[in-house]
Amino acid sequence: AQSVTQPDIHITVSEGASLELRCNYSYGATPYLFWYVQSPGQGLQLLLKYFSGDTLVQGIKGFEAEFKRSQSSFNLRKPSVHWSDAAEYFCAVGGGSNYKLTFGKGTLLTVNP
Amino acid sequence: DVKVTQSSRYLVKRTGEKVFLECVQDMDHENMFWYRQDPGLGLRLIYFSYDVKMKEKGDIPEGYSVSREKKERFSLILESASTNQTSMYLCASSPPAADTQYFGPGTRLTVL
Repeated sequence: AQSVTQPDIHITVSEGASLELRCNYSYGATPYLFWYVQSPGQGLQLLLKYFSGDTLVQGIKGFEAEFKRSQSSFNLRKPSVHWSDAAEYFCAVGGGSNYKLTFGKGTLLTVNP
Repeated sequence: DVKVTQSSRYLVKRTGEKVFLECVQDMDHENMFWYRQDPGLGLRLIYFSYDVKMKEKGDIPEGYSVSREKKERFSLILESASTNQTSMYLCASSPPAADTQYFGPGTRLTVL
């Protein structure tokens, strides 16, 4: 069975600081991996995705993520956080003919001025 | 741009009422999904559909049913709403295979 673990429920960073959100997955084959962001009261917006190829993936809003097969991880990073990045972030895994995605429980990001 | 719309942003219903949540997508996607989102539990899949009139149970189907009569529309039905169904409901659509899911804005349902 596929699963996703986001170890950090809540992270607080200062504006301008760097950010890393952790994601570990369990999947029996080559995974498709996603990061989504949800602003308060809104639906989920795709930040980036990994299907194959280069393990460092660039997304929108200056985010990037690195797929590390040996560690079963897909951590999200941003070099300098902006106040508008405050939101909840979800990692998800799926793959192949299985069109279901499994989501982590999310990490809430607070940005201090 | 893919657009997924949901019929209501906020909904308040009484216990025992029949509730319909509607979702429409404009990208001719084969797959459509209904999730509920609760604090600390993340997104949990209720039902999904991979074609018109086709549906499969997700992880928490109890108390819910769905209908997909047209490709663009996927409805979630609460036959007899209960207070433990108070939640945020999110609809999504995707092309075939495990490709990107596109989400609607969500419906926050309160059952009194």
